[in-house]
Amino acid sequence: SQTIHQWPATLVQPVGSPLSLECTVEGTSNPNLYWYRQAAGRGLQLLFYSIGIDQISSEVPQNLSASRPQDRQFILSSKKLLLSDSGFYLCAWTGGSNQPQHFGDGTRLSIL
Amino acid sequence: AQSVTQLGSHVSVSEGALVLLRCNYSSSVPPYLFWYVQYPNQGLQLLLKYTSAATLVKGINGFEAEFKKSETSFHLTKPSAHMSDAAEYFCAVTLGNQFYFGTGTSLTVIP
Repeated sequence: SQTIHQWPATLVQPVGSPLSLECTVEGTSNPNLYWYRQAAGRGLQLLFYSIGIDQISSEVPQNLSASRPQDRQFILSSKKLLLSDSGFYLCAWTGGSNQPQHFGDGTRLSIL
Repeated sequence: AQSVTQLGSHVSVSEGALVLLRCNYSSSVPPYLFWYVQYPNQGLQLLLKYTSAATLVKGINGFEAEFKKSETSFHLTKPSAHMSDAAEYFCAVTLGNQFYFGTGTSLTVIP
């Protein structure tokens, strides 16, 4: 069966520090991959999605970037974190068009 | 463009009462619709999905949803609320690789 892993589960970082969040999917090949951010008490904001290696679309201009170095690996990065980057980050995958998304457990990011 | 509207950001029901969470979609093509549940500090979990096979869709944890094309609705129901149903619920629609989520409805269950 397919599984999705996100880490770390929680992270506390100072303003201006770099960021790297990792997401991997097992049990499937060529998944579509997504990064979302969820602010406290708010809905989901799509940040990036990818339909293949090195094929990444950015939905929101910001100081975050995403990379997909391997088929089932999706990384969210930042060179310098801002206070506004705090939130709950979720990774998701689908098996193809019109398929449901499956989510990881999320990373709670707090910026000090 | 696709969009999803969830009416009521907060819904409170008594334990044992009917749960009704509303979702309306706008779609120019037959939609693929989903309901997700999110417990605190967790990811979203798929409750059920509509893919045109049947208008009444049964999901996990006793939830079901009915697709009504004439009303462009996909409301989520459960006959009897449990305390464990307290969570955030999201309706979503997809077209191709694009997903569109509603803003969510927080369900409180009163003992």
